[in-house]
Amino acid sequence: AQSVTQLGSHVSVSEGALVLLRCNYSSSVPPYLFWYVQYPNQGLQLLLKYTSAATLVKGINGFEAEFKKSETSFHLTKPSAHMSDAAEYFCAVSRSSGGYNKLIFGAGTRLAVHP
Amino acid sequence: EPEVTQTPSHQVTQMGQEVILRCVPISNHLYFYWYRQILGQKVEFLVSFYNNEISEKSEIFDDQFSVERPDGSNFTLKIRSTKLEDSAMYFCASSEGANEQFFGPGTRLTVL
Repeated sequence: AQSVTQLGSHVSVSEGALVLLRCNYSSSVPPYLFWYVQYPNQGLQLLLKYTSAATLVKGINGFEAEFKKSETSFHLTKPSAHMSDAAEYFCAVSRSSGGYNKLIFGAGTRLAVHP
Repeated sequence: EPEVTQTPSHQVTQMGQEVILRCVPISNHLYFYWYRQILGQKVEFLVSFYNNEISEKSEIFDDQFSVERPDGSNFTLKIRSTKLEDSAMYFCASSEGANEQFFGPGTRLTVL
């Protein structure tokens, strides 16, 4: 079975500050891990994904995430927050790299960025 | 850039009525999915569809739900007799295969 836990339903940072959104996973098989972002009134957009090629994954908009098997974590970071980063972020796990299999999502973290 | 589209953006219906939510996946994609998100809860998988049949479904996807690809472009989710607890945002997604799933903007279903 697979599951995802996102710590912190709401995170607030100042513009220019480090963004850290936490995700821990549970998986009985080698996991594929994803971060999606949802802007208001829009669908889910893929930020980045881990498919076992490299533990540090770089995504769009300056985000990156590091897969740590020993900690069962896949935290999302961005060195300097921008106002346009305000959105809801979802971590997800799957048994495959995106197609074929369902995505299992965490509860989401709403990121607020203030001036 | 190709995108997944969904109609309507918002559907209001009375309990017990049938609803059909429509999705147009990206044209060369072969795998199709429905997810839903009840307000304040996580996004949940409902069903996946490939080669004109269901490939996987969750326990949420009971006999009240059905999916269909009636033509070469549309992918629909039907709820036969809606319940209050079916109120949610429904997302359609599609993928080419081993690549990422692309999501539509969602249909907000409100059951009164």
